[in-house]
Amino acid sequence: DAKTTQPPSMDCAEGRAANLPCNHSTISGNEYVYWYRQIHSQGPQYIIHGLKNNETNEMASLIITEDRKSSTLILPHATLRDTAVYYCIVRSNNAGNMLTFGGGTRLMVKP
Amino acid sequence: GAVVSQHPSRVICKSGTSVKIECRSLDFQATTMFWYRQFPKQSLMLMATSNEGSKATYEQGVEKDKFLINHASLTLSTLTVTSAHPEDSSFYICSARALAGGQNEQFFGPGTRLTVL
Repeated sequence: DAKTTQPPSMDCAEGRAANLPCNHSTISGNEYVYWYRQIHSQGPQYIIHGLKNNETNEMASLIITEDRKSSTLILPHATLRDTAVYYCIVRSNNAGNMLTFGGGTRLMVKP
Repeated sequence: GAVVSQHPSRVICKSGTSVKIECRSLDFQATTMFWYRQFPKQSLMLMATSNEGSKATYEQGVEKDKFLINHASLTLSTLTVTSAHPEDSSFYICSARALAGGQNEQFFGPGTRLTVL
């Protein structure tokens, strides 16, 4: 699976949009971009995933560049409960593939 | 989304004892379950992949005789840490993959914090 690069940490003001970038320049055509987050001392929580089109759900939006070499996770109105480590993972959907976690971005939402 | 549970949520044991952690998929069948380990301030590291009815596949550096994995049914996998030592203290997280509709999403349990004294 392709490697991802994320900033180690980011701050965001409560109520503002949090934009978390991810670089995956070696992504291949059949690989999806997944985002998970991990709140302290809990298991990872699925947020969203996409292949090439932008995606939106009740939690977030995922913007994937046209060349698919990078993406941005957008939390439109960050709350204090969004403070967590956010992981961007690239993976194909073949049955044998598991999720491999990198360092992630530690997002701190501040009042 | 699908629910994965783990039991116990935290356990403290003496050095040299064995500890069993259960992972259950509550509302779906999981042919594959994964066990991860997470040390403080680090990311999740995959320990092993377990398919129902067959032997687990361990990642490099993970001792299969120390971390026994049993995946006896489509909803239950267990991880037994044998002869635990303080360096085995960690956050153990299981994950189950649901095969449905052509997708194969991975759902995570809440984790088990193991402290070995």
